[in-house]
Amino acid sequence: AQRVTQPEKLLSVFKGAPVELKCNYSYSGSPELFWYVQYSRQRLQLLLRHISRESIKGFTADLNKGETSFHLKKPFAQEEDSAMYYCALRGGSTLGRLYFGRGTQLTVWP
Amino acid sequence: EAGVAQSPRYKIIEKRQSVAFWCNPISGHATLYWYQQILGQGPKLLIQFQNNGVVDDSQLPKDRFSAERLKGVDSTLKIQPAKLEDSAVYLCASSLVQGNTEAFFGQGTRLTVV
Repeated sequence: AQRVTQPEKLLSVFKGAPVELKCNYSYSGSPELFWYVQYSRQRLQLLLRHISRESIKGFTADLNKGETSFHLKKPFAQEEDSAMYYCALRGGSTLGRLYFGRGTQLTVWP
Repeated sequence: EAGVAQSPRYKIIEKRQSVAFWCNPISGHATLYWYQQILGQGPKLLIQFQNNGVVDDSQLPKDRFSAERLKGVDSTLKIQPAKLEDSAVYLCASSLVQGNTEAFFGQGTRLTVV
């Protein structure tokens, strides 16, 4: 069965500090992994996907199939990064549906 | 481009009443999803449409929930009768096609059942 685990419900860092939001998954095939972000009072939006291998707003995430992880990282956090972050999985047989983790609320203090 | 539109934004009803939510996807998007997000959890798929056909409704509580997308564009999700545990945010999302295309989400409808 598909499962996405985000172990941290809350994460706080100071501005300029590195940040890592953890995501682990279980899936029997080859999944696509995503990070979605929801800023205060805004809609859920895609931040990045592993197949793109790009950096968005300074964030990167690498798919580690051995550890079944897809952690989100940023070397220097900014106050505007404060938001709710969801890790999501889409499997080849799931016709587009996304399986979400419970989310991590990131707060970046000035 | 215009995003996914949902209405109403908020709804409060008593248990055993009925309620309906409306979603207008991005123009040209063939795939439409309804997700339920209970407080403290991530979104969970309720139903997926491809044009006006249901692709996946395995997680939809069919004894009380129903959804339709009659002309392959707008969609409505109905709950009848509502239970306290239906209190959640109901998110609509759409994508160009199913599979490996980005899903765009609406603002959601926050339902409170009292």
